[in-house]
Amino acid sequence: GQNIDQPTEMTATEGAIVQINCTYQTSGFNGLFWYQQHAGEAPTFLSYNVLDGLEEKGRFSSFLSRSKGYSYLLLKELQMKDSASYLCAVLDSNYQLIWGAGTKLIIKP
Amino acid sequence: GAVVSQHPSRVICKSGTSVKIECRSLDFQATTMFWYRQFPKQSLMLMATSNEGSKATYEQGVEKDKFLINHASLTLSTLTVTSAHPEDSSFYICSARTGTIDAETQYFGPGTRLLVL
Repeated sequence: GQNIDQPTEMTATEGAIVQINCTYQTSGFNGLFWYQQHAGEAPTFLSYNVLDGLEEKGRFSSFLSRSKGYSYLLLKELQMKDSASYLCAVLDSNYQLIWGAGTKLIIKP
Repeated sequence: GAVVSQHPSRVICKSGTSVKIECRSLDFQATTMFWYRQFPKQSLMLMATSNEGSKATYEQGVEKDKFLINHASLTLSTLTVTSAHPEDSSFYICSARTGTIDAETQYFGPGTRLLVL
């Protein structure tokens, strides 16, 4: 079966750095996405990785290792507004998006 | 770019009525649109994939006669919840692919919160 695992909840301090991990087992791989979803709102696109390595975009970076079926989202200089759920999703061989359950990130002052 | 709108943002209706939700891509043509449902504290659940000019592909367990999807143009898809019941109360979200350089990225509408009394 297809499976995406990410922690259910994480807590971090304002100004700090947090890494949210995602491991996946899917039928084929055509890329991995990270989305941010604030409570009561729809997801917004953060990043897309299809090749191994680190993609940096401002305070957010996303890393992919296809051989390990592993990705992480790194958030630096955390702000209170970063409190949200972070969804990992993999595009499988049929170009279907397989979604993780999301990681709820709580930022404390 | 890549803005997707949804209307209405919130709807309350009586049990047994039908509700139509519109999803529009505002600044691009979307050959493929997706409809999701999300219950509180749960992940997104794909309901169906909608391609312009053809019938929607429904996920297992989703009743196509209850959730009618029409992808009439490259910028508009509609989801009609027929004979809605309280268990249909949920957050319905559409997304669209741009079909361009970031062809595989899905951009989401703001969602429609449905409450069936």
